[in-house]
Amino acid sequence: KAGVTQTPRYLIKTRGQQVTLSCSPISGHRSVSWYQQTPGQGLQFLFEYFSETQRNKGNFPGRFSGRQFSNSRSEMNVSTLELGDSALYLCASSLEGLEAFFGQGTRLTVV
Amino acid sequence: GQQLNQSPQSMFIQEGEDVSMNCTSSSIFNTWLWYKQDPGEGPVLLIALYKAGELTSNGRLTAQFGITRKDSFLNISASIPSDVGIYFCAGQLSDGGSQGNLIFGKGTKLSVKP
Repeated sequence: KAGVTQTPRYLIKTRGQQVTLSCSPISGHRSVSWYQQTPGQGLQFLFEYFSETQRNKGNFPGRFSGRQFSNSRSEMNVSTLELGDSALYLCASSLEGLEAFFGQGTRLTVV
Repeated sequence: GQQLNQSPQSMFIQEGEDVSMNCTSSSIFNTWLWYKQDPGEGPVLLIALYKAGELTSNGRLTAQFGITRKDSFLNISASIPSDVGIYFCAGQLSDGGSQGNLIFGKGTKLSVKP
């Protein structure tokens, strides 16, 4: 069974630009969550989608948005990038909620 | 807000040693999860605990769900070099099964003794 696939693995963007990250969950998993990981703040929950609906949302500004498609694939978008958005963005999929399987992440660097 | 205190922040291991780490909180949790993250990779789920007092093993790893439901422990026996990495605990608050109800600890970094 294929694991969670995130693309791209690495990304360099300029301040003010926007970026879209992609996540393909494990086949059959309907829940997809996104996390931001930084050395200072650790793993922080961004949002969770379940069957194309946002089920839960973390404490991030509106510049961070996401969506889930009917095949459970998910995208995350960050608009008007700031230097502080540089982080490892992780996607996790699960059947229902808790026991999540993480992808390798997308390393975003904002310059 | 709820917080998880994970300790120690870092530790050095020598091959063959046993290792212990824990997570504590002032909040009550329904579920505890333990993950390991290698450099450049996403976290990998090691053990999931669902009942207070539960003791679960996965090879050389053993984790326990504290009886007060406010803490959890992870032990690694007879450590080997590939055990190095960052270990995270995550606790689910008592109100729902969404990923958004998980709180993650800041991690325990395991390194090899120089």
